[in-house]
Amino acid sequence: QVQLQQSGPGLVKPSETLSLTCTVSGGPISDHYWSWIRQPPGKGLEWIGYIYYTGSTNYNPSLKSRVTISVDTSKKQFSLKLSSVTAADAAVYYCAGEREGSSYFDYWGQGTLVTVSS
Amino acid sequence: SYVLTQPPSVSVAPGKTARITCWGNTIGSKSVHWYQQKPGQAPVLVIYHDRGRPSGIPERFSGSNSGSTATLTISRVEAGDEADYYCQVWDSGSDHRVFGGGTKLTVL
Repeated sequence: QVQLQQSGPGLVKPSETLSLTCTVSGGPISDHYWSWIRQPPGKGLEWIGYIYYTGSTNYNPSLKSRVTISVDTSKKQFSLKLSSVTAADAAVYYCAGEREGSSYFDYWGQGTLVTVSS
Repeated sequence: SYVLTQPPSVSVAPGKTARITCWGNTIGSKSVHWYQQKPGQAPVLVIYHDRGRPSGIPERFSGSNSGSTATLTISRVEAGDEADYYCQVWDSGSDHRVFGGGTKLTVL
């Protein structure tokens, strides 16, 4: 069974860059789309974007100018960078995976609460 | 961009049937997936491809999708079903994944 383990700081200063990493275990990183999803406190889920194991990406237009998702297949990791953060970016960030062709998320990380504060 | 709309809340008595709806333009032509999220936990897939049920999900959970409305139905509701529920689709035109705003299910 595929498991996702998230890592990265839970506190980011305003205007700086949020960085999180998700490590895949128990299954292949290939043949999957790997997404980042966030959830502001008390609000719903927002898809941020995905990376395919080949490196191709697609981002939510609302965040596209500030988001970079990358993959390191040798380490079975994929990462999120969100630049110029503000208080509006405070949220629980999840990594999630979908098998190619499925279009649904059957693997989820544990979530990381990111606070934006100086 | 494609938009999914859910009612903010649904209430149901134990043992009764809960129906949670998800509206979207011609959503019947898309595959709809449903997630359950309890406080402090990551979402869990409960229905995929409109009516598929992952291993471990009770038969009480079922789904349907037609026209402009997809529906998650929970039969014989239990206190443990109290949670937020989200619908999700893949928008093929943009290749984006889209979530509904979520529905809080309260068991009275």
